[in-house]
Amino acid sequence: AQSVAQPEDQVNVAEGNPLTVKCTYSVSGNPYLFWYVQYPNRGLQFLLKYITGDNLVKGSYGFEAEFNKSQTSFHLKKPSALVSDSALYFCAVSQYNTDKLIFGTGTRLQVFP
Amino acid sequence: NAGVTQTPKFQVLKTGQSMTLQCAQDMNHNSMYWYRQDPGMGLRLIYYSASEGTTDKGEVPNGYNVSRLNKREFSLRLESAAPSQTSVYFCASRETGGGYGYTFGSGTRLTVV
Repeated sequence: AQSVAQPEDQVNVAEGNPLTVKCTYSVSGNPYLFWYVQYPNRGLQFLLKYITGDNLVKGSYGFEAEFNKSQTSFHLKKPSALVSDSALYFCAVSQYNTDKLIFGTGTRLQVFP
Repeated sequence: NAGVTQTPKFQVLKTGQSMTLQCAQDMNHNSMYWYRQDPGMGLRLIYYSASEGTTDKGEVPNGYNVSRLNKREFSLRLESAAPSQTSVYFCASRETGGGYGYTFGSGTRLTVV
């Protein structure tokens, strides 16, 4: 069965510092991996995805994520955090040729001035 | 460019009342989904529809029914609302195939008293 784990409920970082939001997954075969962001009282917005190819994928708002097959991880990163990055972040996984995304429980990112 | 439109945005129901949440997408996507979001539990799939005329249960289908009215519209019905159904409900759509991400609506905040 597919599953996603986001081990941190909250990540706190100072503005200007690098940030990492962790995600590990379990899926049979090759995974399709996604990151979404949710701002207060809004729907989820797509940030980036890994399908195949380079392990480092770049997405919206300066975010990037690194796919690590041996560690079954897909951590979200940004070199320099902004206060406006404060939001709820969701990792999701899909198995090849399935219709459904499985979401993690979410990580709240708080960036302090 | 509307994307995925959900109505209503807010609703308060009394226990035992019924209601239908509406969702429509204008991207010609085959697949549509209903999720609920609860604190600490992430997004949980209620029902989904891989194509017009088909629906399948997700992780938490009890107490809900769905209708895929046509390719654009996918409604979620609560026949007899319970306080445990207090949640934020999101509709999403996507192209068929594991490599595509979801486009989400802005959500319906439902309170059952």
